[in-house]
Amino acid sequence: QKEVEQNSGPLSVPEGAIASLNCTYSDRGSQSFFWYRQYSGKSPELIMSIYSNGDKEDGRFTAQLNKASQYVSLLIRDSQPSDSATYLCALRNKLVFGAGTILRVKS
Amino acid sequence: EAEVAQSPRYKITEKSQAVAFWCDPISGHATLYWYRQILGQGPELLVQFQDESVVDDSQLPKDRFSAERLKGVDSTLKIQPAELGDSAMYLCASSLVQGSGETQYFGPGTRLLVL
Repeated sequence: QKEVEQNSGPLSVPEGAIASLNCTYSDRGSQSFFWYRQYSGKSPELIMSIYSNGDKEDGRFTAQLNKASQYVSLLIRDSQPSDSATYLCALRNKLVFGAGTILRVKS
Repeated sequence: EAEVAQSPRYKITEKSQAVAFWCDPISGHATLYWYRQILGQGPELLVQFQDESVVDDSQLPKDRFSAERLKGVDSTLKIQPAELGDSAMYLCASSLVQGSGETQYFGPGTRLLVL
């Protein structure tokens, strides 16, 4: 079992819709998580970090953490074509990344 | 805005040849990371430095890969000999301090193609 699991996608959503990206992890002791966005051929860029159970909002992005169920999610509201990228979930304490989910926002 | 610098950006080599990648972290960042990212996968940590010391190189294939950060600033990652399976993006990242909550800043990466 991989430490971090993500659906590879692609996840296709229409412009203006909410995109929901999910990530599950196997180590119950994991405490902190990051979401990165990676455009094709580019390096990852940090979107958000989350350490506590519940929701954390930053602009159009909301990260959700549920430690009991061992999943982390990222919601993107009002999705734009420029949001089309691969989204990587990462366990910060172990420096382990998921394989990423490809998001495609159709105009 | 300070950035992590990497060179070269692209490298094409033949198998069995030696290649080297260079990384200059953001000034003042004590922690430096080298990752390998194969197409369609997430980055995989190869080595982590704290200043000039190796903190974690458990995933580094030491029979062919080596990494150094002699003065605790810039770093070099070497592959000798290169194999076809080494074709990937090699990413360098740095963070201010080592810690579970510290943000990593990635460089643009070096894309390696082994023929």
